[in-house]
Amino acid sequence: DQQVKQNSPSLSVQEGRISILNCDYTNSMFDYFLWYKKYPAEGPTFLISISSIKDKNEDGRFTVFLNKSAKHLSLHIVPSQPGDSAVYFCAAKFGNEKLTFGTGTRLTIIP
Amino acid sequence: GAVVSQHPSWVICKSGTSVKIECRSLDFQATTMFWYRQFPKQSLMLMATSNEGSKATYEQGVEKDKFLINHASLTLSTLTVTSAHPEDSSFYICSATQGANPTGNTIYFGEGSWLTVV
Repeated sequence: DQQVKQNSPSLSVQEGRISILNCDYTNSMFDYFLWYKKYPAEGPTFLISISSIKDKNEDGRFTVFLNKSAKHLSLHIVPSQPGDSAVYFCAAKFGNEKLTFGTGTRLTIIP
Repeated sequence: GAVVSQHPSWVICKSGTSVKIECRSLDFQATTMFWYRQFPKQSLMLMATSNEGSKATYEQGVEKDKFLINHASLTLSTLTVTSAHPEDSSFYICSATQGANPTGNTIYFGEGSWLTVV
């Protein structure tokens, strides 16, 4: 039972344009959501997070939007840069419980 | 900032042998450590949660007798893959947290350990 899903396994975006990565979840208990960037054979790198009491959080080029009614969150990267090419995972948790990761989306930025 | 280090980064072992992977929190006391496994092109799957001084809690489907987890101190957790087989070949990642209700900035991941069983 995949509680956190990323329905797009891959995404290609032109450099300088906006990248939008999507994530859906089924567990309404989740109250904290995170986005990670990951390269092969490396640990995940934390990018940005959002609490369920908010609907938007922004940090530089990265913005995360949360739609609780739709159980959907998205990560916007603008402008996209070649160094953004990686696999992106969304993750969710509630309270002190474990992180549940999505299936990942491979983002490729085209120069 | 805080750092979590894993060792070894990669290891090759023969089928039937055991291999130990260490996860250390270098500058903070990790009350909870998590072990994940990632197969190629797949998500990170949580294997077990360990709290210092107590037995690990394993996720459904993870054999606790095969994947031995020890969290004997606040800075070290070990994962031992016993009687390893080729299907155990995977990328193993640990993470560590300190205190209650950790956030993105207080959940620290190791660099990962690539295990190949031949």
